[in-house]
Amino acid sequence: DTGVSQDPRHKITKRGQNVTFRCDPISEHNRLYWYRQTLGQGPEFLTYFQNEAQLEKSRLLSDRFSAERPKGSFSTLEIQRTEQGDSAMYLCASSPLEGQGPNEQFFGPGTRLTVL
Amino acid sequence: AQSVTQPDIHITVSEGASLELRCNYSYGATPYLFWYVQSPGQGLQLLLKYFSGDTLVQGIKGFEAEFKRSQSSFNLRKPSVHWSDAAEYFCAVAEGYNQGGKLIFGQGTELSVKP
Repeated sequence: DTGVSQDPRHKITKRGQNVTFRCDPISEHNRLYWYRQTLGQGPEFLTYFQNEAQLEKSRLLSDRFSAERPKGSFSTLEIQRTEQGDSAMYLCASSPLEGQGPNEQFFGPGTRLTVL
Repeated sequence: AQSVTQPDIHITVSEGASLELRCNYSYGATPYLFWYVQSPGQGLQLLLKYFSGDTLVQGIKGFEAEFKRSQSSFNLRKPSVHWSDAAEYFCAVAEGYNQGGKLIFGQGTELSVKP
């Protein structure tokens, strides 16, 4: 078990370009979450998957954002036509499907996006 | 709507001094509460969590937190701070599992430690 990994760790792009981030959760974790964190703020929920099903999307997730989790393993988050306001740290977390209360979420190191 | 407030944006304490970081939440049902720590360049690490039972919970690195329902608070404490504790601390409340379990974070408290 190597923990949650994210790739790339840093991405610099020009406004209007598309970017894609990848998250590899802890193996056998059924739930996978995406959060966004801007400077000086706590992480904000974007979306989550249970296995391959995307069960909830935040209003923060505009039409330019799309996330997938094919086969219920890794996940990708794509941002189309990036804007400067998309600059943030994008965090991925996974948790197991067990118990009755919410389970601990294990976070990856994040992908820092800078849009010029 | 659920929310978490951390009133202190930045706190400075001397090494060896005690620490208390404040957290207030707004949640209609039984809250599931967490404290996470984030060091520069590192991911969020769970310090401790409260689901039910004993209202004083122990965590890693010598941290503890006390859940007070009457005050809607979940303050984090440490009796003696070490220089390595300098980091950003986040309090969070989670929705119930059947509601997705997503975390709602406060804006964080940055802790600086003076030698």
